[in-house]
Amino acid sequence: KNEVEQSPQNLTAQEGEFITINCSYSVGISALHWLQQHPGGGIVSLFMLSSGKKKHGRLIATINIQEKHSSLHITASHPRDSAVYICAVYPTGNQFYFGTGTSLTVIP
Amino acid sequence: GAVVSQHPSWVICKSGTSVKIECRSLDFQATTMFWYRQFPKKSLMLMATSNEGSKATYEQGVEKDKFLINHASLTLSTLTVTSAHPEDSSFYICSARVSGHGNSPLHFGNGTRLTVT
Repeated sequence: KNEVEQSPQNLTAQEGEFITINCSYSVGISALHWLQQHPGGGIVSLFMLSSGKKKHGRLIATINIQEKHSSLHITASHPRDSAVYICAVYPTGNQFYFGTGTSLTVIP
Repeated sequence: GAVVSQHPSWVICKSGTSVKIECRSLDFQATTMFWYRQFPKKSLMLMATSNEGSKATYEQGVEKDKFLINHASLTLSTLTVTSAHPEDSSFYICSARVSGHGNSPLHFGNGTRLTVT
């Protein structure tokens, strides 16, 4: 059983569409990361959040601690948003768990 | 912002040789760095936690004698794949957190693609 489940696994969208990626986890956490991995492999941390909502440009991340669920939203999607999006949670200390990722393709 | 530099970005080596991968925090100190392995179309798998000035903590199933980790300074950790085999071919990524900041964000290197022939 995975401590972190992401959905969908694969997502194809038309440019301009609103996109939602979901992350559910089964452990108590102190924080949750949303990561973006580009085709070349490099990983960028998009958000770290422990409650509520954060917004950065066209990206919005929300988390509901009680429901153990987080969502990453992309508004007005663009082909450059095509990447793998990974959810990672910190239960305690240095131990953390990764979701299997959501592969997003945005078509022009 | 905090930057983690990983080198080399790709390497091809012959079976039986050893390969060293470097992970540097360029503008911050990192008491702890993390090494991951990623198989094709799979998520990141934590291999070990590298602690400055002490032994690394390896995850279950990771051979410490095969994947040697050294964290000699607050800005540098190295992963050496010893006596490499083709099955060691993979994508290796490091990450680091700013020292003394609890749950501070992780900063990732760009990864190293290792191919063992």
